[in-house]
Formats: sequence, structure tokens, C-alpha cells
Amino acid sequence: QLRLQESGPGLVKPSETLSLTCTVSGGSISSSNYYWGWIRQSPGKGLEWIGSIYYSGKTYYDPSLKSRVTVSVDTSRNQFSLKLYFVTAADTAVYYCARHSPAAVLYWFDPWGQGTLVTVSS
Amino acid sequence: EIVMTQSPATLSVSPGERATLSCRASQSVSNTLAWYQQKPGQAPRLLIYGASTRATGIPARFSGSGSGTEFTLTISSLQSEDFAVYYCQQYDKWPFLFGQGTKVEIK
Repeated sequence: QLRLQESGPGLVKPSETLSLTCTVSGGSISSSNYYWGWIRQSPGKGLEWIGSIYYSGKTYYDPSLKSRVTVSVDTSRNQFSLKLYFVTAADTAVYYCARHSPAAVLYWFDPWGQGTLVTVSS
Repeated sequence: EIVMTQSPATLSVSPGERATLSCRASQSVSNTLAWYQQKPGQAPRLLIYGASTRATGIPARFSGSGSGTEFTLTISSLQSEDFAVYYCQQYDKWPFLFGQGTKVEIK
């Protein structure tokens, strides 16, 4: 069974860089032909897609965040990562990693990681 | 970008009753629409994809319909575990926007 797990600091200072990693178990990123994505949810708010990456490294980003986001993949560690630069309090959210399904297309998200709360505060 | 609008924001329903949730796209997305359920403190769970196909393990009381710009999620007979927030998401074109959610609460 495929499982995704987010990890990273729970507290980031304003203007610094938020860095999160998603570790995939129960399947291989490099051999599975899937896209992998990051989604966030601000407290009490809805879901916001951030960006997605193919196992080959091809990326897609939400235009509103594109200037501040990098998503990368490390197939040797079976992980993909998110970096969000110059964060503000508005970036405080639960960050989820998820896999797009089915293979090779940017369609629905399934499964999801459990999510990790990142608070931006000095 | 394709904006997704869900209605109502909150739906009060008694257990055993039917719930009907709506999702509207700002332009046609054909049938490239998914529905998710989210309970407090949990990640969203895929319910429906392709507008009407239930995901693996999803009970038959959940059904999706619609195409183009108008979509509906129906829960035929609400069970206690169905009280949650439901989101729609289009995947016709990126950015992959979600609706703002419909909270289904106990009446």
C-alpha cells in the first residue's frame, strides 16, 4: 500500500524559506510514472494546489505562487520536496503531499499524506 | 484559471436523509472533476473521479453526476461518519483549483 509522509520544520520565520519533504513508501517514485504534488490548507480555509512534479523532474506550479516555489524530486531517496521562499504569515497552513492518479497524467489526488502544520512566525 | 464554486456552504441534514451538494465550474471541464471528503484533523480522501466514478472502497451511497460546468455529489442516506466537509476539484487544466467546500452537518 502506497504511503506518503511529510516532514520538516513546524515553525518558520517570516522572510525565510519553508522546506518540506515527502517520503514515499510502498512504491517507487522513479519506476511508477506518476506525478506528485503539494497542496496546502490555511487554518479554517479550503485547499490550495501549490505545484506538482513528474518523476523525471518536470514541474507545474500555481501561477500565484510560481515566483516563490520550487518542487524537486530525489528518486534515490524516494522523496520529493517543496521549497517556499520569502514566507509570510499568510503561508501558515497544513501542507499535504499527494500523488496524482492515474499514472502519467495530472489528474486527481490519491493518496494523500497526513499533512504537516507549518506556522510562520517570529 | 477555472474557478470552482460550491453550494451551499453548509448543509444541515438528519441521519438517513439524502444530501445533495453542488459544484459549478467557471468554464467547461468536461467530466474532469473529483470529489473529496475531509474530516477534522484528517487529510482529504478521494470519493469520486471522472465526475461519476467511485474511488476504491467508497460506499455506493455516494454518487456523482454532471458534466461541463454543473456537477452534483449525492449521499443517498447519510450515515454518522459522512458528516464532514466535501470539496470538488477540476483537473481539466492547471492550476488545479478546488471549490471552497461544503460542510455537511447534523441537523
